[in-house]
Amino acid sequence: AQKITQTQPGMFVQEKEAVTLDCTYDTSDPSYGLFWYKQPSSGEMIFLIYQGSYDQQNATEGRYSLNFQKARKSANLVISASQLGDSAMYFCAMLLGGIGKSTFGDGTTLTVKP
Amino acid sequence: ETGVTQSPTHLIKTRGQQVTLRCSSQSGHNTVSWYQQALGQGPQFIFQYYREEENGRGNFPPRFSGLQFPNYSSELNVNALELDDSALYLCASRTGGNYGYTFGSGTRLTVV
Repeated sequence: AQKITQTQPGMFVQEKEAVTLDCTYDTSDPSYGLFWYKQPSSGEMIFLIYQGSYDQQNATEGRYSLNFQKARKSANLVISASQLGDSAMYFCAMLLGGIGKSTFGDGTTLTVKP
Repeated sequence: ETGVTQSPTHLIKTRGQQVTLRCSSQSGHNTVSWYQQALGQGPQFIFQYYREEENGRGNFPPRFSGLQFPNYSSELNVNALELDDSALYLCASRTGGNYGYTFGSGTRLTVV
């Protein structure tokens, strides 16, 4: 069975500092994609970054980078230079290659302090 | 691009009733997925449609059913509503590859 584990229910970070949100995954399928989404209090899910299981390099999108450690089955999100607007719930998700099923973790609430 | 639009935004139904939720996919997106998100939890995958065919289903009973139309818009139907069906229902579309889903703002369903 596929599973995503986010062990940090809540995280605090000072404005302008970097923060790492943890995500571990479990699957026996060799082809998968890993995603991070941001969900503000308004409820809409916002796509942040993607990492494919065969990608050799870690993905980066602006201030977001994904620290992909395949052997450890981890896909941590790093947010650099945190901003007050980064305060939200963050979800890690996995999409299997051959099946249309996505699995989400339970999320991490990030609070950026001024 | 118009994004993903869901309707209605809020809905209150009585236990045992049936409900239809609607989703208009982002232009050019041929894959649509539906998720149920209970309060304080991550979204749970209900099912996915690709070019009008269901190509993936999560652990939801058959009373959860769906449709995708030729214009790639979609419906989620839930029969015999139960109190535990109260949740935020999210629709998401994508084109595939290394692009994430584009989500709608969701429909908040309350079953009383």
